[in-house]
Amino acid sequence: KNQVEQSPQSLIILEGKNCTLQCNYTVSPFSNLRWYKQDTGRGPVSLTIMTFSENTKSNGRYTATLDADTKQSSLHITASQLSDSASYICVVSEASGYALNFGKGTSLLVTP
Amino acid sequence: KAGVTQTPRYLIKTRGQQVTLSCSPISGHRSVSWYQQTPGQGLQFLFEYFSETQRNKGNFPGRFSGRQFSNSRSEMNVSTLELGDSALYLCASSLRSGTSLSSYEQYFGPGTRLTVT
Repeated sequence: KNQVEQSPQSLIILEGKNCTLQCNYTVSPFSNLRWYKQDTGRGPVSLTIMTFSENTKSNGRYTATLDADTKQSSLHITASQLSDSASYICVVSEASGYALNFGKGTSLLVTP
Repeated sequence: KAGVTQTPRYLIKTRGQQVTLSCSPISGHRSVSWYQQTPGQGLQFLFEYFSETQRNKGNFPGRFSGRQFSNSRSEMNVSTLELGDSALYLCASSLRSGTSLSSYEQYFGPGTRLTVT
């Protein structure tokens, strides 16, 4: 069964600090991996998308990495801001067709 | 360009009732997908419509149904509501026209928060 596991489940950091969120998956065959940010009361917004051949992708202070061999991805947030407080969801797509496999998300709280 | 809109934003229903949620996709997007999001299960795929036809369906009971109109607007219906149906229902639209959704960016609406009492 294709699965996407995210860790930690929740995280609290001080404003200005860096943090790294993890995503491990068993999805096969693999098509791409996306990281979404979901603010409270809002729908998810795409941060990055990576295919098999890409091992890093940046979007401002967000940098995603992908190791397709070990089936692991991470999302690194640099110099965190209060507005980074949100849920971060990892989504892995199957190459065979439609299916999107969602992680349950990491809830990040950035405190002053 | 306006984003995906969903109405209503909040809804309270009692067990046994039925509910209809509405989604208007981004102009030009013909694919609309629906998701259920709960704290315990995360995001789960309900179904996808393209050009008024249901293309894919998730593992949900038949109480969950949907349809899409010629202007790409979509509605989702849940009949005989149960307490466990309380969730955030998200709609996403994309430019997808082929068979593989995974290649296309999905744009999510703000969701409809359904509470069943």
